[in-house]
Amino acid sequence: KQEVTQIPAALSVPEGENLVLNCSFTDSAIYNLQWFRQDPGKGLTSLLLIQSSQREQTSGRLNASLDKSSGRSTLYIAASQPGDSATYLCARVGTYKYIFGTGTRLKVLA
Amino acid sequence: NAGVTQTPKFQVLKTGQSMTLQCAQDMNHEYMSWYRQDPGMGLRLIHYSVGAGITDQGEVPNGYNVSRSTTEDFPLRLLSAAPSQTSVYFCASSLDHNSPLHFGNGTRLTVT
Repeated sequence: KQEVTQIPAALSVPEGENLVLNCSFTDSAIYNLQWFRQDPGKGLTSLLLIQSSQREQTSGRLNASLDKSSGRSTLYIAASQPGDSATYLCARVGTYKYIFGTGTRLKVLA
Repeated sequence: NAGVTQTPKFQVLKTGQSMTLQCAQDMNHEYMSWYRQDPGMGLRLIHYSVGAGITDQGEVPNGYNVSRSTTEDFPLRLLSAAPSQTSVYFCASSLDHNSPLHFGNGTRLTVT
């Protein structure tokens, strides 16, 4: 069974810290890897999409990397802010089938 | 540009009742999908569609039906609600599987 695992499940950091969220997947035959943010009571918002042929993508303070051979992706958040507090989910994308991890719940303390 | 719109936001059903969760998108996306989100289980794919008239099953399709008569709409039908279907349901769409996935704000369903 294809699985996506995210570690840690929860993380609490002081404002200003740089942090790394991890995502691992068992099947490397992917089209892309996507990272999402979910605020309480809301739907998911797409943050970054890394094509299978790419190694990383950047958007502002966010940088996501992809290593297909080891089945791993990381989301790097620079200079964290209280507004970054949310749950972050990754999804492995096959042929129209998205397999989601259970997410990392991030709290950035002011 | 409304994006992905889901209705209703909240719904309470009794066991055995049927209902339809509505989903509409105005981005001309070919791909649409339904997920349920349960604590500790993450999001699980129920059904998806790659275009009008084409649907397929996801990971947890039992107890749910879908149809796609137009590009814009992708309703999810619960035929006979069960307490195990208590969950938050999300509809999502994208241009194709190499484009970002856009989500609605969800429907919180409780079956008593």
